[in-house]
Amino acid sequence: DIQMTQSPSSLSASVGDRVTITCRASQSIITYLNWYQQKPGKAPKLLIYAASSLQSGVPSRFSGSGSGTDFTLTISSLQPEDYGTYYCQQSSSVPRTFGGGTRVEIK
Amino acid sequence: QVQLVQSGAEVKNPGASVKVSCRPSGYTFTDYWIHWMRQAPGRGLEWVGWINSKTGGTTSAQKFQGRVTMTRDTSISTAYMELSSLTSDDTAVYYCARGVADTGGRWFDPWGQGTLVTVSS
Repeated sequence: DIQMTQSPSSLSASVGDRVTITCRASQSIITYLNWYQQKPGKAPKLLIYAASSLQSGVPSRFSGSGSGTDFTLTISSLQPEDYGTYYCQQSSSVPRTFGGGTRVEIK
Repeated sequence: QVQLVQSGAEVKNPGASVKVSCRPSGYTFTDYWIHWMRQAPGRGLEWVGWINSKTGGTTSAQKFQGRVTMTRDTSISTAYMELSSLTSDDTAVYYCARGVADTGGRWFDPWGQGTLVTVSS
């Protein structure tokens, strides 16, 4: 199974800050990497697919980059509504696997 | 708009089975696979498996093999996930999601609202 490791596990940042979350795969997944946002009590929502493609309707302050084993999700200017937990997920092989999540808190 | 609606919360005794339904709307049911995930309380996301909505073919994570059955009924555009021999470790919110694939990748979008399954005596 491909292991997905996210860091940090949590962060607290102020509105307007630039936030970066990293995700590392235990082997190359090319660009088969997706990012989801989950708010408490809600289902996950797709933000970024194929490592760097922004899902329709997602604000342009979210961006993704990377290939191979190392990936990054960046929020260019953190907004109050960006709180929640962010997960990376690989779709290179079965079983599909998720990172452990990064909880984002707004200061 | 595309949405997936799941069945309601369930409470089961240890050793029992549970069957969760997922009814998509807003697209042709057989054009996309359905994936199942779960999330234990306070924990991360875990992939359970998928069903090819057109053929009925399935693949599941090894830890669930022998215990999970994924089916679909194309006449009512509904997918099902049944998990047997439940233990307290199976207490979780179970999600279905549409599997989207193109030349660039594969992802889950959108997700159902989730179904809480509680296993308790």
